[in-house]
Amino acid sequence: AQSVTQLGSHVSVSEGALVLLRCNYSSSVPPYLFWYVQYPNQGLQLLLKYTSAATLVKGINGFEAEFKKSETSFHLTKPSAHMSDAAEYFCAVSDSGRRALTFGSGTRLQVQP
Amino acid sequence: DTGVSQDPRHKITKRGQNVTFRCDPISEHNRLYWYRQTLGQGPEFLTYFQNEAQLEKSRLLSDRFSAERPKGSFSTLEIQRTEQGDSAMYLCASSHIPGQGVDGTDTQYFGPGTRLTVL
Repeated sequence: AQSVTQLGSHVSVSEGALVLLRCNYSSSVPPYLFWYVQYPNQGLQLLLKYTSAATLVKGINGFEAEFKKSETSFHLTKPSAHMSDAAEYFCAVSDSGRRALTFGSGTRLQVQP
Repeated sequence: DTGVSQDPRHKITKRGQNVTFRCDPISEHNRLYWYRQTLGQGPEFLTYFQNEAQLEKSRLLSDRFSAERPKGSFSTLEIQRTEQGDSAMYLCASSHIPGQGVDGTDTQYFGPGTRLTVL
């Protein structure tokens, strides 16, 4: 069975600081991995996805994530936080055998001025 | 591309009433998914369709829940005899099956959700 663990339900950074949101996954087959962002009272917007083409994945809004098979991790980073990055971030996993996404419980990012 | 739309955006109902939500996927997307998201949690999968066929249902989808996708276009999710525990955000997503030779995963695009409150 697939699962996703997001360490840290809340992360607070200063504007301009590095953003690091952690995601570890469990999957019995090679996974597909996703990061989504959710702003208040809105649906989820795709930030980036890993599909085995490259271990370092670049997404929208300056975010990127690195797939590390040995660590079963897919952490999300951004070099310099903006106030507009304040939102909830979800890591998700799927595989070729199952279409449904399995989500982590989310990390709420606060950006302090 | 107008995105995935959901209607209504908010629904307040009394316990025991039936409710129905609608999802309109991105045009020509052949897969459609329903998820439920409770406060402070990530979305949980409920069911998905490929064209008009319902291919997978979660154990979360009790007998009171039914979903349809007639003609493979829009979809409806009905909850009968609502309970307070049904209060949640119901999210719809759609995707397009990758073509031959393309990386074998589809990317799901989400709608804004329908927030259900059961009093």
